[in-house]
Amino acid sequence: GAVVSQHPSWVICKSGTSVKIECRSLDFQATTMFWYRQFPKQSLMLMATSNEGSKATYEQGVEKDKFLINHASLTLSTLTVTSAHPEDSSFYICSARALARNTIYFGEGSWLTVV
Amino acid sequence: GENVEQHPSTLSVQEGDSAVIKCTYSDSASNYFPWYKQELGKGPQLIIDIRSNVGEKKDQRIAVTLNKTAKHFSLHITETQPEDSAVYFCAATGNQFYFGTGTSLTVIP
Repeated sequence: GAVVSQHPSWVICKSGTSVKIECRSLDFQATTMFWYRQFPKQSLMLMATSNEGSKATYEQGVEKDKFLINHASLTLSTLTVTSAHPEDSSFYICSARALARNTIYFGEGSWLTVV
Repeated sequence: GENVEQHPSTLSVQEGDSAVIKCTYSDSASNYFPWYKQELGKGPQLIIDIRSNVGEKKDQRIAVTLNKTAKHFSLHITETQPEDSAVYFCAATGNQFYFGTGTSLTVIP
């Protein structure tokens, strides 16, 4: 079946530094990818929709200058958390839409801890 | 836009019993309804889905039913096992994906 790979699985960084998370669709092309944030015991919170070759669409309340999204190819989207602070610590999940099957597949998630 | 409601938010069952999770949606244009299972610390995994031209679909111990008239769909897990313990999310989609708020299922050995 379709697979979405997310890397890194977990990362610890110092406050003020930037962290990049990659999301790759391994066996299908994804013109659209999604980035979510999830707090413990809560549902997925959509942060932004990443469109290949164009600017990402951010949900209300999400700072686009802080959460930079790049969708440079049909199989790769990246989320960069800039100038990270402890409150950015969270579980970040990406997903990719497989058009041929009209379904969404999720990555395994990335745990970010900012110290 | 679409509004997906999911119930219950938590569910505990004895091992071997059945578990049922229900979702309702508001947009009659929604035509695809996937279910995802999320284990602790991992991303959601697609476990079963159903399209609007089908009323029921089954895959081993998991089944999904869809009532388009009433705009609701349900996940049924039979002969539950401890490894079924997870958070389950429903979703409804036309052009956009809308997720339910999740159900935390605990299977008690």
